[in-house]
Amino acid sequence: DVKVTQSSRYLVKRTGEKVFLECVQDMDHENMFWYRQDPGLGLRLIYFSYDVKMKEKGDIPEGYSVSREKKERFSLILESASTNQTSMYLCASKIGNSEKLFFGSGTQLSVL
Amino acid sequence: AQKITQTQPGMFVQEKEAVTLDCTYDTSDQSYGLFWYKQPSSGEMIFLIYQGSYDEQNATEGRYSLNFQKARKSANLVISASQLGDSAMYFCAMRGDFGNEKLTFGTGTRLTIIP
Repeated sequence: DVKVTQSSRYLVKRTGEKVFLECVQDMDHENMFWYRQDPGLGLRLIYFSYDVKMKEKGDIPEGYSVSREKKERFSLILESASTNQTSMYLCASKIGNSEKLFFGSGTQLSVL
Repeated sequence: AQKITQTQPGMFVQEKEAVTLDCTYDTSDQSYGLFWYKQPSSGEMIFLIYQGSYDEQNATEGRYSLNFQKARKSANLVISASQLGDSAMYFCAMRGDFGNEKLTFGTGTRLTIIP
């Protein structure tokens, strides 16, 4: 089975800190995605990547950046965390020509 | 731009009954895809079913079927013979033209199965 692993299940950070959320997949998938999930808003796409060193903005990229130096790893970076970035962050991956997304278990980030 | 609307924030259903979760969508794309994902309390989103806009048959996957009505722009999920393990959040989603990797999600429906 495909495994998408997010490094932390829960994370607490302070306003202004630089925050790294890591995601690793073990199935050689080309495409990787970062979503945030908020109650009443569903999932919203932050960034995605279709290849190493390639990235595309999603619907809400402001305040975030990403890094994909290796195919299996996709990092989400909060340059200066703010309280409105408190959210559940979900990483996902898929093979290029497949419709099926595989998700990690999520990271619940609290910014105080 | 795509938009997904799920109007049922929560539903309670008796075990073994069939369940229909509503989803309507809006898009100007000629070709698009529709999805349903399940999110149990563990947090991991699980792919359930996919329907392409040009597929003539409604998609089915085991107890799940997608009731696709193109003219009405609806893509309802039907779960037959519900089980306690079906209790979860359910999200409808869509992507635009083929090659567009961005998925747009609805706000979700929390389904609770009552024994």
